[in-house]
This record gives sequence, C-alpha cells and structure tokens, in this order.
Amino acid sequence: SQQGEEDPQALSIQEGENATMNCSYKTSINNLQWYRQNSGRGLVHLILIRSNEREKHSGRLRVTLDTSKKSSSLLITASRAADTASYFCATDRLSGNTPLVFGKGTRLSVIA
Amino acid sequence: SQTIHQWPATLVQPVGSPLSLECTVEGTSNPNLYWYRQAAGRGLQLLFYSVGIGQISSEVPQNLSASRPQDRQFILSSKKLLLSDSGFYLCAWSGLYGYTFGSGTRLTVV
Repeated sequence: SQQGEEDPQALSIQEGENATMNCSYKTSINNLQWYRQNSGRGLVHLILIRSNEREKHSGRLRVTLDTSKKSSSLLITASRAADTASYFCATDRLSGNTPLVFGKGTRLSVIA
Repeated sequence: SQTIHQWPATLVQPVGSPLSLECTVEGTSNPNLYWYRQAAGRGLQLLFYSVGIGQISSEVPQNLSASRPQDRQFILSSKKLLLSDSGFYLCAWSGLYGYTFGSGTRLTVV
C-alpha cells in the first residue's frame, strides 16, 4: 500500500528559483528519506531525517519533518537545470526492520 | 566501498518466455536486498525482499519469484512472462543511511 504521497505531481520552475516538494504519509515512522531519479536510471539517496528531527540540511537541500501532521517537505534552493529529475519520499514503519515504501514522486523540471 | 550491479540494462522478451534478472552487491556482507518495479511515470512497487540467504518475503502475489542463492546475490525470475510484467526493475540494498539502487533493467514483454 502507498505510504508516502508527494505533492505536486509535477513542478516546473526557472533556474535560480527554489523548488519545494511535499510528502504526506499515513503511519508512524522511524525515518523518512528523499531520493532522486534521473530519467531511466536508478534512484539516488539524498537525505534521511529521523522521526525525532525536525529539519535537516545538505548543501542546497533542506528537509523538514512534521510528525504531528505526518508530512515532510524537500526544498531545493537556487535550482539548476541539472536538478531536473523525479524526487521521491520513502518511509519505513515504526514496527521495525521493514522495507521502504515509496511515493509516486514529483517530476521537477528546471528551465535554463 | 559498496557497489551494486544489476543486469541486463534492457531486455525485450516474448510473452510466455522465462525471465532471470540478477543483482549482486560488493563490499558488504549480509545485506538486506530488495526488488522493486516501477511502471512508466509511477512510483516504486516493492516486489520481494530478503534479509538473508534463502529468506524471501513476497509483497505482491504475482507471476514473479525471487531467490537468494548466495549472500550477495538476489535473482528475480519468472517461468512465463505476461505483458503486464513490463516495467523498470530495480534492485537495492539497505545501508545505515539509506538504500543504494542498481541502475535498473528495462523489461519489455512483447
């Protein structure tokens, strides 16, 4: 069953602008992760945020987590054309060593 | 460093033919391994996962099966492919900070 759902499904912005993608999930989690996928390629892990963390940064990426609302956001600042890709959130389950469940993704297009 | 190899990159198979996709991991021992499938423009659907040799958990009943004959080898199989088996198949292993994915196999059943 789908655990994470990203919003919006697609996003188109100009180079230099910020891109914000949101993810909502249904059950309690240990951590939430964001991945990136270039067209026709495997997914690449971007960042992991634990359930006891509220915000995390990695370079131009900023992730927030609100466990009370069961939601997360991924912000990419100063976007570049090379950021064009699909972005997925993924969650585990609080019950333990369970596989990640992925959302359907947000397709980001950054126009030069 | 850990690496994951998945092959072939693309595959075109007729309906009713068998399938074998292989995934191997290097640089780690006793990894948790996963097979996901991705339909065009969609998210990832978990098919199978394995926490050890010979241990397979199936998430979705279907025309596929998985095996783990060695610690770092995970194989996805089918005896007779269906048109609906077409998709992008991804193998992954889980490390401390997240999953590492293979480059994927694009399967087209014709």
